[in-house]
This record gives sequence, C-alpha cells and structure tokens, in this order.
Amino acid sequence: QQQVKQSPQSLIVQKGGISIINCAYENTAFDYFPWYQQFPGKGPALLIAIRPDVSEKKEGRFTISFNKSAKQFSLHIMDSQPGDSATYFCAASVNTGGFKTIFGAGTRLFVKA
Amino acid sequence: GAGVSQSPRYKVAKRGQDVALRCDPISGHVSLFWYQQALGQGPEFLTYFQNEAQLDKSGLPSDRFFAERPEGSVSTLKIQRTQQEDSAVYLCASSPIMNTEAFFGQGTRLTVV
Repeated sequence: QQQVKQSPQSLIVQKGGISIINCAYENTAFDYFPWYQQFPGKGPALLIAIRPDVSEKKEGRFTISFNKSAKQFSLHIMDSQPGDSATYFCAASVNTGGFKTIFGAGTRLFVKA
Repeated sequence: GAGVSQSPRYKVAKRGQDVALRCDPISGHVSLFWYQQALGQGPEFLTYFQNEAQLDKSGLPSDRFFAERPEGSVSTLKIQRTQQEDSAVYLCASSPIMNTEAFFGQGTRLTVV
C-alpha cells in the first residue's frame, strides 16, 4: 500500500496551545518522513523531516515523534501561534527528496489569537 | 531566480482545449518533479526528470499528459484535450541532485470549464 493516512482533517487551537497531527503508513520500504507546511496560494515548504532510525526529532517549536513498530508518526507544534495557521501535510518516500513522495490529505490548522 | 517559478499562476481552459504549463527550476538543479494537487488533497506525483531525461512518468494520469525538459532546465507540462477532472493545482519542484530536499513552486491553478 502506498497510502499515507492523516488526521485530523482540520484543527483549531488556542494561541499558546499544542497542535498535534497524526499520520500512519503501510509501506515499510519508506525511510524518509517529511512534514510540509502550505499557505494559501503557495507551494508546500519542507518544515521538518525524520528517518525511522530515530524516535523523535525537534526543531524549535516543531517535534516529530516516530513509532516504527506501529508505522505511525506525528507532528507536535508547541506554543502554537496565529502565524502557524496553514495546511500541514505529512509525507513518506523511499528516498530523501521529491521522487514519488506520497502525501497525506492534509490538516488545516487554525490558531486562534 | 531565488526559487522555483511557475507560469501562468492561473489558467482557465475550455474543455477540449490544450494547455501548457511552464516551470523554471532553481538554477543548477538537476532534478525536477511535477505534482498534481486536487482541491483539498495532498500533491500526487506525476513525473520526474534528471537533467533532460524523463526517468519516471508513472504518475501521469493518461496519455493526454506530456512533459518535457529539452535542455535540462525549463520544463513544460502539456495537457491535451483538457477534461474537467484535470482541474487542479500543478506543482513543480526541483532539487540539486536526487535524494536532496526538493523545493516547490507556487503552482499553476488550472480550471477546466
């Protein structure tokens, strides 16, 4: 299976709160798991990425948690800000980069001021 | 330019019309990808170029879709006899070489009426 399943479809969080987005995959050949942020009218931009040999990666307010045995990974946005309001896509691929990256359906995040 | 540039930003085509979408990758980037993003969905892979060679076109939905990159720089995605189901945002991405981060353009929104 090539599908990457993402939830929730939409999310509303208060400013300063934690935003959590979850993803699950089937193909065990995937070895690169990026998260992309997309603002309206813009292309997706790489936010943070992880490989399955680590269980967590943190960059600033953004953290990926990875559970290889469960084939699940999640994005946590700490101290969420109104400027974080965007659509977030999890993705998976066999290699780094843009070749045949499989994207989730996206989560629309709205951070209330 | 500083990033991946796509033109036009918006295109309205009558059903049955042919369209051509242009992508100017980041200068010097060897790898170039085309993705299709339907409304409310994640991007889906269409095709991949390494320099002028089209190494993978497994994602092209039908033989009405054709892509080229004759000089290994600018790429054109052509859709013949457009159908309503072709309406989507077409994203182009480029990366320095295979297996490095890919950078997306802003996309071309195609509406077939």
